[in-house]
This record gives sequence, C-alpha cells and structure tokens, in this order.
Amino acid sequence: SQQGEEDPQALSIQEGENATMNCSYKTSINNLQWYRQNSGRGLVHLILIRSNEREKHSGRLRVTLDTSKKSSSLLITASRAADTASYFCATDEGARGSARQLTFGSGTQLTVLP
Amino acid sequence: NAGVTQTPKFQVLKTGQSMTLQCAQDMNHEYMSWYRQDPGMGLRLIHYSVGAGITDQGEVPNGYNVSRSTTEDFPLRLLSAAPSQTSVYFCASSYSRRSGNTDTQYFGPGTRLTVL
Repeated sequence: SQQGEEDPQALSIQEGENATMNCSYKTSINNLQWYRQNSGRGLVHLILIRSNEREKHSGRLRVTLDTSKKSSSLLITASRAADTASYFCATDEGARGSARQLTFGSGTQLTVLP
Repeated sequence: NAGVTQTPKFQVLKTGQSMTLQCAQDMNHEYMSWYRQDPGMGLRLIHYSVGAGITDQGEVPNGYNVSRSTTEDFPLRLLSAAPSQTSVYFCASSYSRRSGNTDTQYFGPGTRLTVL
C-alpha cells in the first residue's frame, strides 16, 4: 500500500512561476523525503525533513511538514523548464532501530512551459 | 565513483524465462533495495538488504529472489517471468539503516523489462 499521496497528479505552469505540490500520508513518520525523476531516469534525492522539523529550504526548494495534518508541501520558486519532471514524496514510518523502508507516493508530473 | 549501476538497461523476456538483474554500488553503502515502477504509480519495494548476508521482503516480493553476498552487489532474480512483471526496476542504496533514521537513497538508472 502507498503511504504518501501527491496532489495534484499533474501541474503545468509558465517559466518563472512558483510550483506547489502536496503530499499526504497516513501513519506517523520519522522523516519525509522528496525526490525528482526526469523522464526515463532514476530518482534523485531533493530534500529530507525530519518529523520534528516544520520547514526546510534548499536553494529554490522549500518544504514544509505538518505532522498534525499528516501532510507536506514542496514549493519550487522561480521555476525553469529544466524543473520539468515527476516529483515523489517518500515516507519513513518504521520503528526506531528497526530496518526501515521508504514508501513512495504516486508522484506529481510537473511541466514548466518556456 | 560510479554510484549505483544497473545492467541491463533493457530486457525482453518470454513468459516462463528466468533472468537476473544486476545492481552494484561503489559507495560502501550497507543498505540496498529493489523497487519496481509501473505507469502512473510510485515505486513499490520488492526486497531490501541492510547488509551483506541479510535480506528481507518488501511490499511486492512474490516472483523475485535476492541475495547479498557482498556489500557492493545486490542482484534481483526473476524465477519464472510473467507479463505482470513488465515494469521498470530500480535499485537503490544508502548508508547504514540499522540504527537511526533513513538516509538519502541513491538510485540507479533503471532496467526496463518487458515480459511477453
């Protein structure tokens, strides 16, 4: 079963605009990660936010986490055509000290139009 | 470092054939995993390993076997291929997962498998 579900499934914006993607999950987590996948390629890690953090920045990326609502958002500011990709959230919900796994959502397909 | 490498990049099998998808990493990562990705879906975990000699099942393990005889290699075996196993397979690795939170996973480029 999938833990994280992204919303929207597809997003199309103009270059220079901001893109916001949301992720909802069902159980308690240790951390939440965002990955990007360009067409036909493997996933690339973007950012990790721990359960005791509320916001994190990395370059043009801003991630928020609301554990009370079991949701996270990824904001890409000043988007570029090169940001066109699928974006996935992944949650780590295992018990501390155990061999934990990441559970991926179904992704948001972002298209940035030049 | 080459990172995570996978071979082959593409493969076509007939129903009932067996094959091994290769995965290797040169980052001395303890944790390795195999995922499959189907159209419109996220990645689903097939099998994973927290270190040499230790493997465990993920969400969708049926029809697949793994072994971890070295830190570097984590092959995935399809025992008797079925059309339902047509998918893109990704191998990933990360630092020790035996304690502490999950770390960044590094993904290989994937193997596109078609089973006729």
